[in-house]
Amino acid sequence: QVQLVQSGAEVKTPGASVKVSCKASGYSFTAHYIHWYRQAPGHGPEWVGRILPSSGAARSFQGRVSITRDTSITTVYMEMSRLTSDDTAVYYCVRDDRAGSLDYWGQGTLVTVSS
Amino acid sequence: DVVMTQSPLSLPVTPGQPASISCRSSQSLVHSDGNTYLSWFHQRPGQTPRRLIYKVSNRDSGVPDRFGGSGSGTDFTLEISRVEAEDAGVYYCMEGTHWPSFIFGQGTKLEIK
Repeated sequence: QVQLVQSGAEVKTPGASVKVSCKASGYSFTAHYIHWYRQAPGHGPEWVGRILPSSGAARSFQGRVSITRDTSITTVYMEMSRLTSDDTAVYYCVRDDRAGSLDYWGQGTLVTVSS
Repeated sequence: DVVMTQSPLSLPVTPGQPASISCRSSQSLVHSDGNTYLSWFHQRPGQTPRRLIYKVSNRDSGVPDRFGGSGSGTDFTLEISRVEAEDAGVYYCMEGTHWPSFIFGQGTKLEIK
């Protein structure tokens, strides 16, 4: 079965960086884009970026976000730098179903930015 | 960027009664391939979103047939024919036509009276 398993919760101070991992299994890792979304309390999911694991080509909504992958361990990473309190949210990796939608979600990683 | 606008933002419903949620996009969601990529998700408190509907009206496996999606172009609707207690939570529409990002609406909170 398809599974996306994310790394655990993080607490960071303003100005620091965070790196969240997403381990994929149960399907052909290189065949599907992986997107990253974040969700602040009381808000809808906000797109952070995406990567195609086969090529490593990535796009993100801000220059301080880097999305990479390691195909040998079927894992995608999202690193965000220069964190502020506005970056406090639950971060999700989500599989693109290759048909204009998202089908499988990771369990989410809470990133808290606080001094 | 595409903007997805849902209404209402809050929807109190008595069990057994129908419910309807509207979603409007700022641009047409008809893709150049002829498909319309509009999905609906349900999120319970503390849980991840679960997809209910894709490509406007196709139900995902395991989704009860009391859920139905309709619409075209820029106007879409999610309907629940008879609301049950387990349907409480937040419903989101999401467009998948305009690459590279898929944009969500702001959400509609369905509350069971």
